[in-house]
Amino acid sequence: NAGVTQTPKFRVLKTGQSMTLLCAQDMNHEYMYWYRQDPGMGLRLIHYSVGEGTTAKGEVPDGYNVSRLKKQNFLLGLESAAPSQTSVYFCASSYSPGQGILYEQYFGPGTRLTVT
Amino acid sequence: AQKVTQAQTEISVVEKEDVTLDCVYETRDTTYYLFWYKQPPSGELVFLIRRNSFDEQNEISGRYSWNFQKSTSSFNFTITASQVVDSAVYFCALSTRGYYGNNRLAFGKGNQVVVIP
Repeated sequence: NAGVTQTPKFRVLKTGQSMTLLCAQDMNHEYMYWYRQDPGMGLRLIHYSVGEGTTAKGEVPDGYNVSRLKKQNFLLGLESAAPSQTSVYFCASSYSPGQGILYEQYFGPGTRLTVT
Repeated sequence: AQKVTQAQTEISVVEKEDVTLDCVYETRDTTYYLFWYKQPPSGELVFLIRRNSFDEQNEISGRYSWNFQKSTSSFNFTITASQVVDSAVYFCALSTRGYYGNNRLAFGKGNQVVVIP
């Protein structure tokens, strides 16, 4: 049981390049999330998904796209990277006991992205 | 709106001292869950505890304890006899059924705890 995994762990991009971050979970969770973490800013939600084939915008979605083609995978894409996207990216998954409320989120180890 | 406030940004303590982290939350819902996470210097986010709004019993796990008080909308976390391994950022989070809270957690900004040997 690997939990939540992310690839890659580190990446350096040049401005304008594109890349995809992959998140995978083996807990059969419906809900998946992408966050970015910057110094002093806490965790900021980029996009999330409440089930296979669905996606929704979070607090800071601009410059990112996501897809959830399979329940266990959640992809985060940067089409044209900018230095402002230098950050640590975390994926998380969660489940619900019902009534529209969430239990805890389980996080991946993070991806450290630098855009030069 | 659902909101979590962790007022103290950085707290320094000498090893073996106790440290308490304050978490104040806002919600109009009567059903909600509260969580604490630990993020050590290695960077991963580790889930520590979940507490539901109907259970106000305090919880103790080793040197960690949590005090939930609905009357003051607080869910405080105490580390007793701190150790260097407790140095980390600690996040409090809230899950509700409310419009904004649906399908998301509201996180506080985190408390940086530095334990000095």
